[in-house]
Amino acid sequence: KAGVTQTPRYLIKTRGQQVTLSCSPISGHRSVSWYQQTPGQGLQFLFEYFSETQRNKGNFPGRFSGRQFSNSRSEMNVSTLELGDSALYLCASSLRGKEYEQYFGPGTRLTVT
Amino acid sequence: KNEVEQSPQNLTAQEGEFITINCSYSVGISALHWLQQHPGGGIVSLFMLSSGKKKHGRLIATINIQEKHSSLHITASHPRDSAVYICAVLNYGGSQGNLIFGKGTKLSVKP
Repeated sequence: KAGVTQTPRYLIKTRGQQVTLSCSPISGHRSVSWYQQTPGQGLQFLFEYFSETQRNKGNFPGRFSGRQFSNSRSEMNVSTLELGDSALYLCASSLRGKEYEQYFGPGTRLTVT
Repeated sequence: KNEVEQSPQNLTAQEGEFITINCSYSVGISALHWLQQHPGGGIVSLFMLSSGKKKHGRLIATINIQEKHSSLHITASHPRDSAVYICAVLNYGGSQGNLIFGKGTKLSVKP
C-alpha cells in the first residue's frame, strides 16, 4: 500500500505570493491533518479534515486555509506569503476512529524570499 | 509551560551506548507517539502507545499514564540512529487528529 504523498517536495516563493500544497493520503484513510514545522516553534497543528469537512483548526491566521476532496486528497493554501511562513509542511493521514495513529508524508519544504 | 516537554534537547553518544530520551506531558491523553525525523525532514512514526511498553528491534518505548511520562530507549546505539526524536500526544477529549508535539531531542551517535 502506498504511503502518504505530498507535492511538491520543495518550493520557493516570493513574499506576497500565494501557494497551494497537496497531500494524498494512504488509500482508505479519510482523515488528513496538516502540520507546520519551523526551527523556532517546532511542529504545530494547522488543521484536520475528515470527509471534506474541517474538523479542527490550529491557531494560525486566516491566510492559512485548506480543503479536502471527495477522494480524501487534501490541499492547503497560504495567501499573501510572509518570510515567517518558510517551513516544512507535513500532512498525516489516519483511519476513521484511529486518528491517534497517524502516518506522515515526506513534507513540502517552502522557502519564502 | 509547554504541554509536552522533552529532555534532553541534545544528546551525543558513542556507538554502542544505551540511550534514554524522556517525555513528560501535562494534559490527559488518549495516545502518545514517538517520531523519528532524519535530516531532510521526513517523519517516521516509531511507536504509538496508550499504556505499558512496546519493543521494536533495538528500540523500546514505555509510558506511565499516572505519572504522565514516557521514555524512549535505544540499546546498542548506532550512527544511523542519529536523528531528531519527537514525542507527540493526542489530547484526550480534545479535537481528533490534533497532535501536540514536544520540541524534539537531537541525537548524534559517534562511531
